Amino acid sequence: EIVLTQSPGTLSLSPGDRTTLSCRASQSVIGNYLAWYQQKPGQAPRLLIYSASSRAAGIPDRFSGSGSGTDFTLTISRLEPEDFAVYYCQQYGTSPQTFGQGTRLEIK
Amino acid sequence: EVQLLDSGGGLVQPGGSLRLSCVASGFTFSSYAMNWVRQAPGKGLEWVSGISGSGDSTYYADSVKGRFSISRDNSKNTVSLQMNSLRAEDTALYYCAKRAAEGIYLMGSLNYWGQGTLVIVSS
Repeated sequence: EIVLTQSPGTLSLSPGDRTTLSCRASQSVIGNYLAWYQQKPGQAPRLLIYSASSRAAGIPDRFSGSGSGTDFTLTISRLEPEDFAVYYCQQYGTSPQTFGQGTRLEIK
Repeated sequence: EVQLLDSGGGLVQPGGSLRLSCVASGFTFSSYAMNWVRQAPGKGLEWVSGISGSGDSTYYADSVKGRFSISRDNSKNTVSLQMNSLRAEDTALYYCAKRAAEGIYLMGSLNYWGQGTLVIVSS
């Protein structure tokens, strides 16, 4: 199965900062079928990005995704207070679909 | 409005069984693959099982293959997960989740999630 490694494990930043989260796959992600999710405490995950770079419905344009092959990134251009959460990547190009271990974004 | 209502979780002894259900509304249920994803306490997300819109195709994570069975009843807009031979490591919050894209494929991004139902396997 494809292993997704997210880095860093934790990021401490301030509102207004720009940040980039990394997701590296153990082998190429077919079709660049990679998604990003945001999860806040006590809530279900929320889809942000699919197909590596397409924003899901209702997602603010400060969130953007990029990458291909084995290296993908999620960029948040200007952090809002509500963006502090855990972020997961998911690949769905090869069975079984798999998730990364998550990156925690915390307020500095 | 799309809604997914998970239920059926609880406390069960090792080796026991439990059946989870998810009732969907707000979309054409039979047109979308459905999945179960779990999250152990304080841990990350783990995909568990998926089923096609028609119910003809199913697939499972290796960790649950042979013990869990997914099914759906499109007349009742319901997807279920029958969990047998439960182990302590199956303890988690179980989410049902809808595939974002309509169609025949099983895998995909997941754009709607239930609130989760908690399964605790302990003696």
